[in-house]
Amino acid sequence: QVQLEESGPGLVKPSKTLSLTCSVTGASIDSGTYYWTWIRQPAGKGLEWIGHIYASGKTNYHPSLKSRVTISLDTSKNQFSLQMNSVTAADTAVYYCATYRGTGSDFWGPGTVVSVSS
Amino acid sequence: QSVLTQPPSASGAPGQRVPISCSGGDSNIGRNTVHWYQHLPGMAPKLLIYSNDQRPPGVPDRFSGAKSGTSASLVISGLRSEDEGDYYCAAWDASLDVYVFATGTKVTVL
Repeated sequence: QVQLEESGPGLVKPSKTLSLTCSVTGASIDSGTYYWTWIRQPAGKGLEWIGHIYASGKTNYHPSLKSRVTISLDTSKNQFSLQMNSVTAADTAVYYCATYRGTGSDFWGPGTVVSVSS
Repeated sequence: QSVLTQPPSASGAPGQRVPISCSGGDSNIGRNTVHWYQHLPGMAPKLLIYSNDQRPPGVPDRFSGAKSGTSASLVISGLRSEDEGDYYCAAWDASLDVYVFATGTKVTVL
């Protein structure tokens, strides 16, 4: 059973960088089984796919966020990370890390709330 | 706005059948498989249906999915109080090269 858990600051100031880490157990992030994914849900809104990274390091990002987002792997810690720069209040959301393969996102972290506020 | 469209709400009494539609286009549902997620209050989303109509282990058979052309549907048969929450369809969009979620449907048990 794959388990994921998000960690990182719950409060980020406007114009700064949001940094989150997802710790993975039960699977190796360099195995090539999954795409390692970030998804968010702003308050009162639906789910929004941010992007994912494969074991090779290849990434895909949502076009609306591509200029501000970087997803990376840390194979030594079996973690992957999200960095989003120049954040605004619109980036306030619950952030989830999840697995993805052709059959959908079958494993999710519990989510972490990130608020953007001064 | 999402390229996948769902009704904002659906409801039914316990035991009733509740259908939820998902409309897309040639580059997403028309070309790729559809997944459905259940998002209950305070929980992480859960994969409910994959590959249009397949249930992961542990998902009750009262949840069923189907796809035809550029549309898909989820049916909850025998609605239960614990089914109250949000339901999202999703698919890979080949034109945008992104995984798209629909806007979601809030299911209320009357």
